[in-house]
Amino acid sequence: AQSVTQPDIHITVSEGASLELRCNYSYGATPYLFWYVQSPGQGLQLLLKYFSGDTLVQGIKGFEAEFKRSQSSFNLRKPSVHWSDAAEYFCAVAANTDKLIFGTGTRLQVFP
Amino acid sequence: DTGVSQDPRHKITKRGQNVTFRCDPISEHNRLYWYRQTLGQGPEFLTYFQNEAQLEKSRLLSDRFSAERPKGSFSTLEIQRTEQGDSAMYLCASSLDGPGPQYFGPGTRLTVL
Repeated sequence: AQSVTQPDIHITVSEGASLELRCNYSYGATPYLFWYVQSPGQGLQLLLKYFSGDTLVQGIKGFEAEFKRSQSSFNLRKPSVHWSDAAEYFCAVAANTDKLIFGTGTRLQVFP
Repeated sequence: DTGVSQDPRHKITKRGQNVTFRCDPISEHNRLYWYRQTLGQGPEFLTYFQNEAQLEKSRLLSDRFSAERPKGSFSTLEIQRTEQGDSAMYLCASSLDGPGPQYFGPGTRLTVL
């Protein structure tokens, strides 16, 4: 069965610092991978997606993610975090079905 | 705004009552999904539609839960005889085709007293 693991429940960074959020997936073939962001009380906004091709994908708000097949990982990065990036981040996988399997999320806190 | 919309945004009900939520997807999207999200967790899949056909249901979806998409446009999710464990955020998403990016609505937060 497909699964997604986000090892970090809570991360705190200073504004302007770099950020990396970890995501590992379990699936036999190449999955479709996504990162979503959720602000308190809101729905989820798609940050970026990976389907195939270039393993480094660019998203909105200055985020990027790198697919590493050998490590079954799809980590999210941002070179310089802004206070407005504070939110919950979810990694998700869609394998051979349409439903998304989400990780438990990483809460990002940004200090000024 | 042509995003996914959900109504109501908040619903408070007493245990044992029935509730119905509505989702309007992005207009050209064929696929519509329902997810449930509890505190501190990621969304969990409930069911999805390809046009008006319901194609998959999760085991989370007991016989108290039902969903419809009668004309392949908006969808409703009904929960009968609500229980306190049904308290959660119910999220709707739509996509043009699958498996592709899904675009989420703001959610309906259900509180069962």
